[in-house]
Amino acid sequence: RKEVEQDPGPFNVPEGATVAFNCTYSNSASQSFFWYRQDCRKEPKLLMSVYSSGNEDGRFTAQLNRASQYISLLIRDSKLSDSATYLCVVNPPSYIPTFGRGTSLIVHP
Amino acid sequence: TAGITQAPTSQILAAGRSMTLRCTQDMRHNAMYWYRQDLGLGLRLIHYSNTAGTTGKGEVPDGYSVSRANTDDFPLTLASAVPSQTSVYFCASSDSGGHTEAFFGQGTRLTVV
Repeated sequence: RKEVEQDPGPFNVPEGATVAFNCTYSNSASQSFFWYRQDCRKEPKLLMSVYSSGNEDGRFTAQLNRASQYISLLIRDSKLSDSATYLCVVNPPSYIPTFGRGTSLIVHP
Repeated sequence: TAGITQAPTSQILAAGRSMTLRCTQDMRHNAMYWYRQDLGLGLRLIHYSNTAGTTGKGEVPDGYSVSRANTDDFPLTLASAVPSQTSVYFCASSDSGGHTEAFFGQGTRLTVV
């Protein structure tokens, strides 16, 4: 079983839609969690950290469920510019960032 | 600010040849990483270094070697390239402890023919 698992998608949604991604992780002792965004042929960039209490940044909301070992990302009012691949990243006790395979989002007019 | 820089940005390499991918960061991060990214497989860790002078193997280390002579540089060497090493290579760095984000270089697109 891969340490971090994501549905690869693609998620194909119209502008203005709300879309949610989930990510599961296998190591219950994992310490920190992140969502990254990757545009085609570019390097991954941090979208937001995920805190135990959940956190929001504008249209983006991230949540952590330690009991079920998953994190989620909710995007409200999708924009065309949100089209990208979203990578779930988990830092296990070794602190080495471990990536999911990414979820592709396509927002269409 | 430069952040983390990789060179070259792309390269075509003949099979059997050696090559070193360069990675330099100016953020004084202790930890550095090399990943390869292949379609459908995501980012896979090749080697890592938690601090200058130490390195460790990741998920896919075979055919690659690294060194960490100082804090800033973390080169990745392919001793004898094979076509299966065709990939996009990303170098990254982060503060010690791993509670902070990792910063990535712009990537090196390598084609082994």
